[in-house]
Amino acid sequence: AQTVTQSQPEMSVQEAETVTLSCTYDTSESNYYLFWYKQPPSRQMILVIRQEAYKQQNATENRFSVNFQKAAKSFSLKISDSQLGDTAMYFCALGSGSRLTFGEGTQLTVNP
Amino acid sequence: KAGVTQTPRYLIKTRGQQVTLSCSPISGHRSVSWYQQTPGQGLQFLFEYFSETQRNKGNFPGRFSGRQFSNSRSEMNVSTLELGDSALYLCASSLIRSSGASTDTQYFGPGTRLTVL
Repeated sequence: AQTVTQSQPEMSVQEAETVTLSCTYDTSESNYYLFWYKQPPSRQMILVIRQEAYKQQNATENRFSVNFQKAAKSFSLKISDSQLGDTAMYFCALGSGSRLTFGEGTQLTVNP
Repeated sequence: KAGVTQTPRYLIKTRGQQVTLSCSPISGHRSVSWYQQTPGQGLQFLFEYFSETQRNKGNFPGRFSGRQFSNSRSEMNVSTLELGDSALYLCASSLIRSSGASTDTQYFGPGTRLTVL
């Protein structure tokens, strides 16, 4: 069985500052992918960033970057220069085959 | 390209009824997955279809079923609705290049909010 754990139900950050969201996972698969999705109040699930487990280099996407520690099964998301539009629920997800396993989510609030 | 579309966006049904939700994937995407999102259980995988075949299934009762058409559009059906079926149902599509390919990025639709009274 695959599990994804997000231990921070809520976080807040001031606009323009940096925040890191934590995620740990467990899987017996050797070929898998990791994702961060955001879900704003509109409930639309939006892809933030993706990491292939076989790649050692951490993925980056503009202000978003990850710290992927494969041995520790850790996959954290760093948001730099936080913006008000980053306010959303953030989900960490593990993909293996055609199935995504999601964490419980972290509600991030960016304060002006 | 147009994104994933889901219809209807909102539904209200009563216990015992059945419901059909529709999902149109991104053009060219051949895989469609369905998820249920509730406050108590979070996001849970229902099933995935690829080339009109159910390729993977989550741990849901047989009341939940689906199908995929030749144009990759998918429908899911829930029969004998229960109060606990009230949820946001999300559809996601991905560009699986071959039947044996593993995970590709899933792109989500806006969801259908189902309320069972």
